[in-house]
Amino acid sequence: DAGVTQSPTHLIKTRGQQVTLRCSPISGHKSVSWYQQVLGQGPQFIFQYYEKEERGRGNFPDRFSARQFPNYSSELNVNALLLGDSALYLCASSLDVFGTEAFFGQGTRLTVV
Amino acid sequence: QQQVKQSPQSLIVQKGGISIINCAYENTAFDYFPWYQQFPGKGPALLIAIRPDVSEKKEGRFTISFNKSAKQFSLHIMDSQPGDSATYFCAASFSNTGNQFYFGTGTSLTVIP
Repeated sequence: DAGVTQSPTHLIKTRGQQVTLRCSPISGHKSVSWYQQVLGQGPQFIFQYYEKEERGRGNFPDRFSARQFPNYSSELNVNALLLGDSALYLCASSLDVFGTEAFFGQGTRLTVV
Repeated sequence: QQQVKQSPQSLIVQKGGISIINCAYENTAFDYFPWYQQFPGKGPALLIAIRPDVSEKKEGRFTISFNKSAKQFSLHIMDSQPGDSATYFCAASFSNTGNQFYFGTGTSLTVIP
């Protein structure tokens, strides 16, 4: 069975640009969460989605947005990129909104120059 | 405010030794405490988890010890192996929020052959 897949694996963007990151959860998993992991730090929670609805939001500016599709895949969008947005962006999936056993993808490494 | 504090930042252990990583949490309402292992270039992988109704959980060479009154929990890796060299993250969550985790800052473990 395929695990959580994220695309692209690496991305370089210029300050002020916009970026879209994609995540496909494990088959049968309906809940997706997004995390930002700055080098040398632990992952920080950005969003949780379940059944296409936002179920949780971390302490991130409105430049960050996300959505979930009927097939439970998800996109994370970041507008007006700042240098400080450079990080590894992780997607985690779990069975349902209460599923604490979460499986992470390999992440998308975003570099903003 | 850092909800979960982790120490040490780095740890070097001889092969066959015991690795111990400690975490402390602030919010007494947390009720799920997982440990994740992350290798370079990979997403975090769930290693072992505990709920506050038990004081210890063991899976193979990995043991979580949990002290509810002190709001602390720790990971013990027995018979540490070079393949255990990775970054370890503790985390905490409310079980009714699924995969919304508060992560510690990570411990880089190096096991010397």
